Amino acid sequence: DTAVSQTPKYLVTQMGNDKSIKCEQNLGHDTMYWYKQDSKKFLKIMFSYNNKELIINETVPNRFSPKSPDKAHLNLHINSLELGDSAVYFCASSHEQTRDEAFFGQGTRLTVV
Amino acid sequence: AQSVSQHNHHVILSEAASLELGCNYSYGGTVNLFWYVQYPGQHLQLLLKYFSGDPLVKGIKGFEAEFIKSKFSFNLRKPSVQWSDTAEYFCAAIIKGAQKLVFGQGTRLTINP
Repeated sequence: DTAVSQTPKYLVTQMGNDKSIKCEQNLGHDTMYWYKQDSKKFLKIMFSYNNKELIINETVPNRFSPKSPDKAHLNLHINSLELGDSAVYFCASSHEQTRDEAFFGQGTRLTVV
Repeated sequence: AQSVSQHNHHVILSEAASLELGCNYSYGGTVNLFWYVQYPGQHLQLLLKYFSGDPLVKGIKGFEAEFIKSKFSFNLRKPSVQWSDTAEYFCAAIIKGAQKLVFGQGTRLTINP
């Protein structure tokens, strides 16, 4: 069973479109994250949610809107896509209290053309 | 600002060579430290972690890391690398009270057969 699953794995879309990436974890964790990995492989946190509440928003443009319907899901919606949004987006989860390792999803490679 | 830095951007070795990848962090308080590996086209997987206790930690696939508090370092080592170790390696840290895992810039490791 996949612990953290993201869909889709690949997403190619035109500038200006709106798209969503879904993430689900079956680990019972209470904290979920979205990370962006750029072309140089640098990983930067975008958002962190704890029990459906937004904890961290790292100055991400408001075109990016995370949604957490329950603590097992954290979806990422992106409006008005730009070329610079092309990257690999990773969802992750962890147990907030133990500060233990984060488990990552397979990643979503977003290409904006 | 809280940060994690990895000194080597790209390391090229031959099989059976010894490996050491540097990692330094800039936090003064209690910190949990991690090394993750990302094989080509894959998601991040945990190699090892340090929370407390013995500063020399052993992880999977023959990797180990040593926490040196006085140097704010957590270097990754492997005595004899294999071609299959070719991957991107990320050092990461989470400090007590924080809600996010902060990553270093990553080190690309290429092993020539």
